[in-house]
Amino acid sequence: KQEVTQIPAALSVPEGENLVLNCSFTDSAIYNLQWFRQDPGKGLTSLLLIQSSQREQTSGRLNASLDKSSGRSTLYIAASQPGDSATYLCAVRPFFSSGSARQLTFGSGTQLTVLP
Amino acid sequence: SQTIHQWPATLVQPVGSPLSLECTVEGTSNPNLYWYRQAAGRGLQLLFYSVGIGQISSEVPQNLSASRPQDRQFILSSKKLLLSDSGFYLCAWRGTPGANVLTFGAGSRLTVL
Repeated sequence: KQEVTQIPAALSVPEGENLVLNCSFTDSAIYNLQWFRQDPGKGLTSLLLIQSSQREQTSGRLNASLDKSSGRSTLYIAASQPGDSATYLCAVRPFFSSGSARQLTFGSGTQLTVLP
Repeated sequence: SQTIHQWPATLVQPVGSPLSLECTVEGTSNPNLYWYRQAAGRGLQLLFYSVGIGQISSEVPQNLSASRPQDRQFILSSKKLLLSDSGFYLCAWRGTPGANVLTFGAGSRLTVL
């Protein structure tokens, strides 16, 4: 059974700092990995999706990497801003499966606070 | 463009009362639809998913049920709520079987007293 872990559970940084959020997964047979952002009391917003054949994806100040063999992904946020404060979740989609097992397995998230 | 709506956004219900949360998707047809629950400090747990009208798959045994009466409508229900049903419920959709991105609604906060 796939398990997804995000450490730390919470992170606080001063504005302007570059930071890395970590995501690890136990089963490397994944189809893709997706990073989401969740603001308090809100739904999830998709940030980046990395296919299993890709090493990284970039969107603005965000860069997500994937090392499938080691079961790790990182989300790099450059020049952090107070507006980046939110919970960041990663989720993996399995490669070989059918039915319900094709659905995403989520980590519990890292709560990021960027201090002005 | 595709949009997803969930309501109500917030709900406070007594134990033993019924529940109905609704999710609708616009701008697409035959989406895969999902209900997730998010407990405080925990990841998302998949409750139900549906690949078509009337087709519901349940992930975990529980006090809840789901229905898909129309192509773009997904309903989460309970006949009698338990305290443990409190949580943040999220509906999501994926456009086609091969589509990658899962898109979420804004969520429904349920508090059972």
